[in-house]
Amino acid sequence: AQTVTQSQPEMSVQEAETVTLSCTYDTSESDYYLFWYKQPPSRQMILVIRQEAYKQQNATENRFSVNFQKAAKSFSLKISDSQLGDAAMYFCAYRSCYGGSQGNLIFGKGTKLSVKP
Amino acid sequence: KAGVTQTPRYLIKTRGQQVTLSCSPISGHRSVSWYQQTPGQGLQFLFEYFSETQRNKGNFPGRFSGRQFSNSRSEMNVSTLELGDSALYLCASSSGTANSPLHFGNGTRLTVT
Repeated sequence: AQTVTQSQPEMSVQEAETVTLSCTYDTSESDYYLFWYKQPPSRQMILVIRQEAYKQQNATENRFSVNFQKAAKSFSLKISDSQLGDAAMYFCAYRSCYGGSQGNLIFGKGTKLSVKP
Repeated sequence: KAGVTQTPRYLIKTRGQQVTLSCSPISGHRSVSWYQQTPGQGLQFLFEYFSETQRNKGNFPGRFSGRQFSNSRSEMNVSTLELGDSALYLCASSSGTANSPLHFGNGTRLTVT
């Protein structure tokens, strides 16, 4: 079974600075998808960025980028120029490409990010 | 485009009762997935419905069930509620293809007393 581990329960960053959230996963599959979701106090899970395992190029969405290391099974999220609105819980998630798993995301325990003004 | 809508937002029930939660997906989405979120266990997959059929199921007891209607709206039912069922229940919709991301609703906060 696949597992996702986020080793940093809490992180803090100064506004305008850069922060990196860590995520490692375990799988025996070669094709899969990885995601970062953000959950602010409003409770809604918001997709931040996604990465297809077959793509070597790291995904980027504006101030958010990932460092995807397939061999190391590592998928970290870098937030540049941090803003107060970035404060939230961040979840790393894995999705298999096989066996009708499209709706089944395996989540890590999350990292609570605080942004200091 | 309207997002994923979950109703109600809050619910308080007593042990032994049953509850039904509702989820309306984004227009055009045919897949609806349900998740339970608790402080202790985190986010856990309950089940996924696609075109009215359950396509995948997580490791939850049979007290947890769901269904999907022809308009893709989905309901989740929990019977014989236990205190441990207190959680945030999140619904997510997608087009159902392998590379389509999940879009989540605001969740229903269920409290069992």
